[in-house]
Amino acid sequence: AQKITQTQPGMFVQEKEAVTLDCTYDTSDPSYGLFWYKQPSSGEMIFLIYQGSYDQQNATEGRYSLNFQKARKSANLVISASQLGDSAMYFCAMREDSSYKLIFGSGTRLLVRP
Amino acid sequence: DVKVTQSSRYLVKRTGEKVFLECVQDMDHENMFWYRQDPGLGLRLIYFSYDVKMKEKGDIPEGYSVSREKKERFSLILESASTNQTSMYLCASKWGSNTEAFFGQGTRLTVV
Repeated sequence: AQKITQTQPGMFVQEKEAVTLDCTYDTSDPSYGLFWYKQPSSGEMIFLIYQGSYDQQNATEGRYSLNFQKARKSANLVISASQLGDSAMYFCAMREDSSYKLIFGSGTRLLVRP
Repeated sequence: DVKVTQSSRYLVKRTGEKVFLECVQDMDHENMFWYRQDPGLGLRLIYFSYDVKMKEKGDIPEGYSVSREKKERFSLILESASTNQTSMYLCASKWGSNTEAFFGQGTRLTVV
């Protein structure tokens, strides 16, 4: 069954340091996509980065990169050079290509310390 | 810019009322979704639709139904609201398999 797990309810990071947010998933579909979203205290959902299951390279978008380890079924988000504005909830999501279902994990609350 | 609009930002309803949450998107997206967001539980999928008049149950469909009569509009219906349906409800739409979903601003529903 399709499942996303985020095991870190909350994390702290010092400003300017890098941080890794964990995400593991479970699927029997060989073709799927993985997404990360940011939700600041304002409540909006902001798309950060996408990784397809057949992509050979790890996705990167500015300070965000996705550490995709297919055999381990993990898709961790790495934020480099953390900024105060990175303080937010972060959600990992997955869509199997055999269905239209898009599911999310329980989220990780990141707090960046000055 | 893609716009996903939810009809209300805040709603207060009484137990037993029939509640309609409306969502409209302006980008001709095929797929639309309804989630509820609760602290510690993340976003849980209630229902989704991949085409007009097509709908599928998500992970927590009990107590909810949906309607998609037009491509741009996806409605969530609480047939008889209960206090355990007090939550933040998020609508999303997307096109295709490898594109991101766009979200509405959310509706905070309180059932008293």
